[in-house]
Amino acid sequence: KQEVTQIPAALSVPEGENLVLNCSFTDSAIYNLQWFRQDPGKGLTSLLLIQSSQREQTSGRLNASLDKSSGRSTLYIAASQPGDSATYLCAAYPGNTPLVFGKGTRLSVIA
Amino acid sequence: EAGVAQSPRYKIIEKRQSVAFWCNPISGHATLYWYQQILGQGPKLLIQFQNNGVVDDSQLPKDRFSAERLKGVDSTLKIQPAKLEDSAVYLCASSLDLEWGYTFGSGTRLTVV
Repeated sequence: KQEVTQIPAALSVPEGENLVLNCSFTDSAIYNLQWFRQDPGKGLTSLLLIQSSQREQTSGRLNASLDKSSGRSTLYIAASQPGDSATYLCAAYPGNTPLVFGKGTRLSVIA
Repeated sequence: EAGVAQSPRYKIIEKRQSVAFWCNPISGHATLYWYQQILGQGPKLLIQFQNNGVVDDSQLPKDRFSAERLKGVDSTLKIQPAKLEDSAVYLCASSLDLEWGYTFGSGTRLTVV
């Protein structure tokens, strides 16, 4: 059974800092991995989708990497801004069962 | 393209009452999911539909929860009777195929008092 863990659970950084959010999964046989952003009380917004054959994906100030062999993915946010404050969720897609989510990392960027 | 639509956005009910949520997926997306997200937790799958057939409902509390997807498009999720522990955000998502990931709606925040 796939399990996804995200560390840290919460993170507070000053504006402008570069930061890394970590995600680990127990079963390396995943089809893809998806990072989402969730603002308080809102739904999930997809940030990046990494296929199992890919090593990384980039969108603006965001870069997500995937290492299937070690069961890890990281989300790198460059030059953080207060508007980046949200919960970031990592989800692994085993392919034969639906997305399995971690509990998320709650990010606060302080101006 | 239009996103996944969900309604209502918020709902407050008393325990033992019933409630229903509605979801309209992205046009052409055959697969539809309902997830439950309790505060501070990651979303947990309740049920998965492929067209109008159920693929996975192993985590759906069938004594009180039910869901249907008529004509393979819109879906409704019902809770009857509601319990305090059902307070959560109910998220609907749809997907086209394995290559494109999931698209989520804005969710319905349910509070049971």
